[in-house]
Amino acid sequence: AQSVTQPDIHITVSEGASLELRCNYSYGATPYLFWYVQSPGQGLQLLLKYFSGDTLVQGIKGFEAEFKRSQSSFNLRKPSVHWSDAAEYFCAVGSYNNNDMRFGAGTRLTVKP
Amino acid sequence: GAVVSQHPSRVICKSGTSVKIECRSLDFQATTMFWYRQFPKKSLMLMATSNEGSKATYEQGVEKDKFLINHASLTLSTLTVTSAHPEDSSFYICSARDVGRKSYNEQFFGPGTRLTVL
Repeated sequence: AQSVTQPDIHITVSEGASLELRCNYSYGATPYLFWYVQSPGQGLQLLLKYFSGDTLVQGIKGFEAEFKRSQSSFNLRKPSVHWSDAAEYFCAVGSYNNNDMRFGAGTRLTVKP
Repeated sequence: GAVVSQHPSRVICKSGTSVKIECRSLDFQATTMFWYRQFPKKSLMLMATSNEGSKATYEQGVEKDKFLINHASLTLSTLTVTSAHPEDSSFYICSARDVGRKSYNEQFFGPGTRLTVL
């Protein structure tokens, strides 16, 4: 069965600093990988997704993620964090038919002024 | 495009009553919708997969008589929490797949419904 691990429960960074959120997955077949962001009391917004091709994926709001098959990782990065990026971030893995999408536990990002 | 709405956004009810939550795909048809539950500061847990015109498929440990799901049309799925109790208080999120897209069947998420049972 597939699973997703987000090792960091809570990360604090200063505004303007770079950010990397870690995600490791376990999946027997070709993984379809996603990063979502959730603001308090809100639904999920898709930041980016990886299905195949270029392993460096660009998303919205200046985020990118790199798929590393050898490390079973799909880490999310942003070169310069803005205060509005403070939120909960979820990594998810699914299959082609996406009937069995699984989410990581989430990483809460706090941005210091 | 690919917008999913949920109604209501938040609801407070008394213990023992039933609450219905609607999930609608506004600009696409969704033969499959999903219902998730999110506890405070926790991840999303899939409760059930809802297929238009057929019975929902529930995840292990989810009471199907407690959480009734109806997917009566290609744009609407409903989740009814029957005889709600305080432990049912949670954030419920639905998602839908756009079967019209030729690419991978990505899930599009609704904004969620906050249920509080007193």
